[in-house]
This record gives sequence, C-alpha cells and structure tokens, in this order.
Amino acid sequence: DIVMTQSPDSLAVSLGERATINCKSSQSVLHSSSNKNYLGWYQQKPGQPPQLLIYWASTRESGVPDRFSGSGSGTDFTLTINSLQAEDVAVYYCQQYYTTPFTFGPGTKVDL
Amino acid sequence: QVQLVQSGAEVKKPGSSVKVSCKASGGTFSNYAMSWVRQAPGQGPEWMGVIIPDFGTANYAQKFRGRVTITADESTSTTYMELSSLRSEDTAIYYCAREKAPYSTSFFDSWGQGTLVTVSS
Repeated sequence: DIVMTQSPDSLAVSLGERATINCKSSQSVLHSSSNKNYLGWYQQKPGQPPQLLIYWASTRESGVPDRFSGSGSGTDFTLTINSLQAEDVAVYYCQQYYTTPFTFGPGTKVDL
Repeated sequence: QVQLVQSGAEVKKPGSSVKVSCKASGGTFSNYAMSWVRQAPGQGPEWMGVIIPDFGTANYAQKFRGRVTITADESTSTTYMELSSLRSEDTAIYYCAREKAPYSTSFFDSWGQGTLVTVSS
C-alpha cells in the first residue's frame, strides 16, 4: 500500500496569513503515460464529510476559492492557503488515487 | 450535482454484521463508481472498496476482503456496504463517496452525510 504522510500535524495561522501543508507519498504517484500526479486534497470541517479541494495535484475543484492552490510532483506535494479566512479552519487531507487501496494522509489541522 | 443520502446510525454487537445504504439522486447512477470510506474517531479516512454499478463487481481493500460486501441496485440508485464479524475497532463513521468522472476510480466530489456505526457489547 502507498503510505501518505503529512506535516505538520497542526498549525495556527493568523487571519490573512498563508498556511502551507505538506504531503509525502511512499512511492511516486506520477503516472508516466499521462504525466499526471494522482493526488487530491480534501477539507473536512467538524461533523461534515470531506470536501474535494484539489485533484491532479494542482487542479482546483469548481467553486473552490483561488486562495487554495496545490503543487508538487512525484512523491512531494504542498497545499497552500493564501490569505487564510476564518472559514478555512478545518482538517486537510491528501489522498493518492494512483493505485488501490486509495490511501489518505493522517490530516493537518489548521486553526487560527 | 448528485446528492447521496445514507441510512441512519447503527449500534451493533461484536461479531454481528451491519448493512449501510447510500441512495443517489440528481445525477447518473450506473456509470459512476461509488466507494465506501470509513473514518474512525480522530483518524484520517480509510478507503474500503468501490463498485461501478454498470459492471456490478466490486474491488475491495485487502484489509477488508472477506468481511465487506459492496453491492448496487440500479433500480433504486442505491449502493450498499455490508461489514461482517464486527469488532470494536470497526466503530467509525462510514461514508459513501462518488467519483467525479464516469467509469473512473480516483477522487471523490460527492459524499454522503455519513453513518455512525458503533460496535459495543
């Protein structure tokens, strides 16, 4: 199984500042034939299911504010939240879909 | 956008089985893969398996193979997840989650509201 790790476990950010979350996979999730990274990011607020933010490592889901951006390739990825808003307080998970079983990271909690 | 509505919370005894349903509305059912993902308290999500209703056969995570059965009823646009031989470690919120693109198995843009399954003697 591909193991996903995230850092930090949690971080506190001031309103309007930037939050950076890292995700690492135990093997590359870059598919050579498509040149796509099979990596997604989700946001989860208390009492709610995860919500898709980013897929193919850097494609923003429809309706997601452009302060959210994804980058990286191969085994190392980053989710950046620019100008943090109060509604961004949540837990963020990365997920690989390169191969089954699809696996998620342990999560990074973002607080004010 | 498709809406996924799951069945209600369950309390089960160790060794028993649970069957959770997920009814889809507002979108095409048969050609979109539906996965089941569980989340134990304070943990990250854990993928259990997937089915594409058009194909009928399911693909399971090795961890759950032999204990989980995922089925789909196209006539009611409902997917089911049955987990047997329950133990306390199976206490979690169980979600159905639909793929963003048809006939693909990848990432999930629609989720059910979750079903809490509590396993306790």
